[in-house]
Formats: sequence, C-alpha cells, structure tokens
Amino acid sequence: KAGVTQTPRYLIKTRGQQVTLSCSPISGHRSVSWYQQTPGQGLQFLFEYFSETQRNKGNFPGRFSGRQFSNSRSEMNVSTLELGDSALYLCASSLTGFRAYEQYFGPGTRLTVT
Amino acid sequence: TQLLEQSPQFLSIQEGENLTVYCNSSSVFSSLQWYRQEPGEGPVLLVTVVTGGEVKKLKRLTFQFGDARKDSSLHITAAQTGDTGLYLCAGRATSGTYKYIFGTGTRLKVLA
Repeated sequence: KAGVTQTPRYLIKTRGQQVTLSCSPISGHRSVSWYQQTPGQGLQFLFEYFSETQRNKGNFPGRFSGRQFSNSRSEMNVSTLELGDSALYLCASSLTGFRAYEQYFGPGTRLTVT
Repeated sequence: TQLLEQSPQFLSIQEGENLTVYCNSSSVFSSLQWYRQEPGEGPVLLVTVVTGGEVKKLKRLTFQFGDARKDSSLHITAAQTGDTGLYLCAGRATSGTYKYIFGTGTRLKVLA
C-alpha cells in the first residue's frame, strides 16, 4: 500500500506571496491532519479534516487554511507569507475509530520564505 | 493548555549503552503514540500504548504507559547508531480541546 505523499517536497517563496501544498493520504484513510514543524516550536497542529469537514483547528492565524476533497486528498494554503512561515509542513493520514490516534506521515514539504 | 513534556531534550551516547526517554503530562490520555523522525522525513509510528501500566516491546525498545495514563517512557537497550533520530510522544487528551498533540521531542545521537 502506498504511503502518504506530499507535493512539492521543496518550495521557495517570497514574503507576501501565497502557497498551496498538497497531500494524498493512504488509500482507505479518511482523516487528514496538517502540522507545522520548526526547530523552535516543534510539531504544531494546524488542522484536521474528515469527510471534507474541518474537525479541529490549531492556534494559527486565518492566513492558514485547508480543505479536503471527496477522494480524501487535502490541500493547505498559506496566504501573505511571512518569514516565520518557513518550516517543514507535514501531512498525516489516519483510519477512523480507535485507530484514528495513529498518524501516518508523509515526507513533508520544506517551505522557505525569503 | 495540554502539554506533553519530554526529557531529556538531547541525548548523546555510545553504541551499546542503554537509555530511557520520558514523556509527562498533567492530562490523562486515552492512548499515547511514540514516533521516530529522521532528518528530512516525517515521523514514523513506532507503537501505541493504551492501558494504564501497559508495557510493549519492539525488539530492543520497551515502551511503558503510566498507571494513571498521564506519562510514558521509552527504554532502549544496547543502543545502535541506527537508533539515532528525534523521538516524539503524542496523543489526544481525554478532556479539553481533544486535539492531537506532540511532545517536545528527544533528540538522540548514538555514536559508533
């Protein structure tokens, strides 16, 4: 079974631009979560989607948004990029029910904002 | 605020040594997961502990869930260079915001 895939793997953007990151979950996984990882803050939860609905949201500004499609694929968007948005963005998928606590991560998208 | 505090934050040991990593919280968790992350990659799930007092073994790694389900530990016996990485505990608390949170992380380096 193929793992979680994320595209692109690397991205360089300029302050003020916007960016869209994509995530394809493991087949059969309907829950997708996004995380931001930085050396200073560690792994921070962004949001969680299940069946195209946002089920939970972390403490990030409204510039960070996401969506999930009917095939469970998900995208996250960051508008008006700031230097502090430079990070590794990780997507994770999981099963429903009890196994929903076990997250399977993609390799991440390394975003650099200059 | 729900927090998962890990200690130590950094650990550098020689191959063959034993080590223990701790994950502590003031909140009760229905389960805790342990992950290992290598540079440039996403975290990889190692184990889930569910029952208070539960002990799970994965080759040289032993995971324990505290009786009150507020803490967990990871013990590595005879560490190998391949154990090098960032170890993260994570879980969803049984009260509060129910968000899935990660621990502060333990960066382990095993020297040959």
